[in-house]
Amino acid sequence: EVQLVESGGGLVQPGRSLKLSCLASGFTFSNYGMNWIRQAPGKGLEWVASISSSSSYIYYADTVKGRFTISRDNAKNTLYLQMTSLRSEDTALYYCARRLGAVDYWGQGVMVTVSS
Amino acid sequence: DIVMTQSPSSLAVSAGETVTINCKSSQSLLSSGNQKNYLAWYQQKPGQSPKLLIYLASTRESGVPDRFIGSGSGTDFTLTISSVQAEDLADYYCQQHYSYPLTFGSGTKLEIK
Repeated sequence: EVQLVESGGGLVQPGRSLKLSCLASGFTFSNYGMNWIRQAPGKGLEWVASISSSSSYIYYADTVKGRFTISRDNAKNTLYLQMTSLRSEDTALYYCARRLGAVDYWGQGVMVTVSS
Repeated sequence: DIVMTQSPSSLAVSAGETVTINCKSSQSLLSSGNQKNYLAWYQQKPGQSPKLLIYLASTRESGVPDRFIGSGSGTDFTLTISSVQAEDLADYYCQQHYSYPLTFGSGTKLEIK
């Protein structure tokens, strides 16, 4: 069974940093591109970043480019999102999601709240 | 960036009715190389993560009931749900997977009368 379990969220002050993790299981992690997709409270889905299976290709939304860094450790079956210079508009539920393009599995999400 | 315009934003139907949700992209999602349309549909039930229903505009994901039908090409796409059931109460999103940045429609909230 495919499982994606996010962690690392919480309440953080504007301008501070936070690192999210996503532990994958139930499939060969190193064979799949991965994504972070977020959803602000009561709002729609917003793609954040994607990384190919071998980290050769990385893409970011303009809203996070230069502030967020997506990475992965295939030996640990883990996807990461390093978030810096956080803003109130980054407040959202962050989903780890499998496969580039049309996402076929989503984690349960981890909440990030940016507030003073 | 490709802008995805979804309509309606909400609708309420009775069980057994047929529902149509529309999605229009600001650029064609049709690949000239393989003649495939890179459009996906997701269902998000209350309190749950999204679930992939359809990809490549009309390919149903494994395990998705055949009452969910995706159609369209180029810039105009439709998700049809035939014989709606109470369990179909959810938000539905279209997403283009043609190019980065990936973009989603604003969503359609389906309510059951």
